[in-house]
Amino acid sequence: GENVEQHPSTLSVQEGDSAVIKCTYSDSASNYFPWYKQELGKRPQLIIDIRSNVGEKKDQRIAVTLNKTAKHFSLHITETQPEDSAVYFCAATLNSGYSTLTFGKGTMLLVSP
Amino acid sequence: DADVTQTPRNRITKTGKRIMLECSQTKGHDRMYWYRQDPGLGLRLIYYSFDVKDINKGEISDGYSVSRQAQAKFSLSLESAIPNQTALYFCATSDSGLYNEQFFGPGTRLTVL
Repeated sequence: GENVEQHPSTLSVQEGDSAVIKCTYSDSASNYFPWYKQELGKRPQLIIDIRSNVGEKKDQRIAVTLNKTAKHFSLHITETQPEDSAVYFCAATLNSGYSTLTFGKGTMLLVSP
Repeated sequence: DADVTQTPRNRITKTGKRIMLECSQTKGHDRMYWYRQDPGLGLRLIYYSFDVKDINKGEISDGYSVSRQAQAKFSLSLESAIPNQTALYFCATSDSGLYNEQFFGPGTRLTVL
């Protein structure tokens, strides 16, 4: 089955800096890579996703890049703000319509004012 | 608003007790999932159901069972709770088909003494 490794486990930045979280996956057939954000005491929520036919996707201050050859994908947050502080989970799946997500272990991002 | 709800939100129980966690959704989704979250271990899939007549084991199903009573209801049972089942449990739902976002419930914090 799929295995997803996520790094770093914690990341501390100053407000306004950029943050990068990296994930690697094991199954070269995986084709869908979502990112979920979990604020303290809250439920995880989808913030961005990317499909394997795309190398990069942006949504305002967040972007995700995918390198299929190396089997890794990354979340980039620019101009970080205190409200970006949360745990971020990457996930991967072979989206055949009958598959499930495999999540990474999460990255706790702390943005200091 | 269409949502995913879980009951109870918090539960403290003793070793050997039978516990049921309940999940309900008003999103009209066919697919439902139970995850377990432990610090540093991410979100791990316990069981999932793609429709009312479908039940599948996930990564860590030992010690758990589920029941899909209706499209909107998916229950997780611990037949004989043990301390290492102390965790935060999330229910999630998604629509059928490809590339569908998972919507999480608020979580149930279970403590087994």
